[in-house]
Amino acid sequence: DAGVIQSPRHEVTEMGQEVTLRCKPISGHNSLFWYRQTMMRGLELLIYFNNNVPIDDSGMPEDRFSAKMPNASFSTLKIQPSEPRDSAVYFCASRQAGGPGTGELFFGEGSRLTVL
Amino acid sequence: AQSVTQLGSHVSVSEGALVLLRCNYSSSVPPYLFWYVQYPNQGLQLLLKYTTGATLVKGINGFEAEFKKSETSFHLTKPSAHMSDAAEYFCAVSLNRDDKIIFGKGTRLHILP
Repeated sequence: DAGVIQSPRHEVTEMGQEVTLRCKPISGHNSLFWYRQTMMRGLELLIYFNNNVPIDDSGMPEDRFSAKMPNASFSTLKIQPSEPRDSAVYFCASRQAGGPGTGELFFGEGSRLTVL
Repeated sequence: AQSVTQLGSHVSVSEGALVLLRCNYSSSVPPYLFWYVQYPNQGLQLLLKYTTGATLVKGINGFEAEFKKSETSFHLTKPSAHMSDAAEYFCAVSLNRDDKIIFGKGTRLHILP
């Protein structure tokens, strides 16, 4: 089975541009997480969804960041306008919530964003 | 709110020596605890998890961890380090299987030849 798929793997953009990161969770998983990883702050939870509904977005840094999950197989994280301090690796992860599992997350390979 | 503290952002051990990576958690209820490993330019992979039951849990690649409620700890160990164990290791906590998972800042493990 395919794992969590993220795109693009690498993105270089200029300050002020809009950035859209995409994620396809594992088929059958109904919970999706977005994390940001930086050297200084480690792995921060930005937002997570259960059954396409945002449950906790308290980690979203500011209004420049938005996330959507229009259906069970697709999510986007958008930054508009982007700033150099947004440079980081953004991870998407999914899991099966509410079922017999034990709650572990399955991660994509990440999207490395560089804002110049 | 739950949180995780990993002591030591970098740990170096000799090949063949014991690996010990420390993790302390804070949780208002009995927690779910996880260890993940991240190799360069990759996502995180689950090493092992504790939910309920036996407090000593075994994971992949010879790693194990022990849940100690009295010490609020979940330290990761491996008897004999291999060069291939060089990676970053993350401890994580959740209130239950459906709640958000909060990660520690990670410990980078270096293996000395």
